[in-house]
Amino acid sequence: DSGVTQTPKHLITATGQRVTLRCSPRSGDLSVYWYQQSLDQGLQFLIQYYNGEERAKGNILERFSAQQFPDLHSELNLSSLELGDSALYFCASSISGGWDTQYFGPGTRLTVL
Amino acid sequence: AQTVTQSQPEMSVQEAETVTLSCTYDTSESDYYLFWYKQPPSRQMILVIRQEAYKQQNATENRFSVNFQKAAKSFSLKISDSQLGDAAMYFCAYRREDFGNEKLTFGTGTRLTIIP
Repeated sequence: DSGVTQTPKHLITATGQRVTLRCSPRSGDLSVYWYQQSLDQGLQFLIQYYNGEERAKGNILERFSAQQFPDLHSELNLSSLELGDSALYFCASSISGGWDTQYFGPGTRLTVL
Repeated sequence: AQTVTQSQPEMSVQEAETVTLSCTYDTSESDYYLFWYKQPPSRQMILVIRQEAYKQQNATENRFSVNFQKAAKSFSLKISDSQLGDAAMYFCAYRREDFGNEKLTFGTGTRLTIIP
């Protein structure tokens, strides 16, 4: 158990819908990262938040957005869903700054029908 | 942009034997970090081992060790005394030593099968 929690574990929805994925980082970690794992794109970095502020952005679609709240939990919002958004979405957390390691949550499996 | 290449999509090894998984990367940075993550059928991403680029000594964690060749930009993972629980996808990952740009760049993975 990495100490990072993600809810829900599974999500099945229809095209055009909007969903919210939630992540709680390990106690003491200030950074939260979101990654997408799909069959065709592999593991890709989406976005990083540090202590409530956006820190880095990767290949995140405009239909996707994220935020980190004062209690440091984070949410990834996916809207106007398409079939190709079906993937495993991971959240990771780290203390951030210097030599630190990202610890991953169990992931949320999103299926868009 | 940094890239990570894992040229072995699949590997297999007899239980109790040793196997080496390959990883190469491309970067113009001199300071960075390298990682091996394991993803078993449960899909959880589990850190196996990490290496700081400025350290010449290869990292070891119990049965897992790396061969880090900075000049060749190579970072292979050796698993000794392979066990059934080692069966998983293994991902090599790179991270810059850059406060504010800490994303992990992953390779495409190597699926490791353990033969009883």
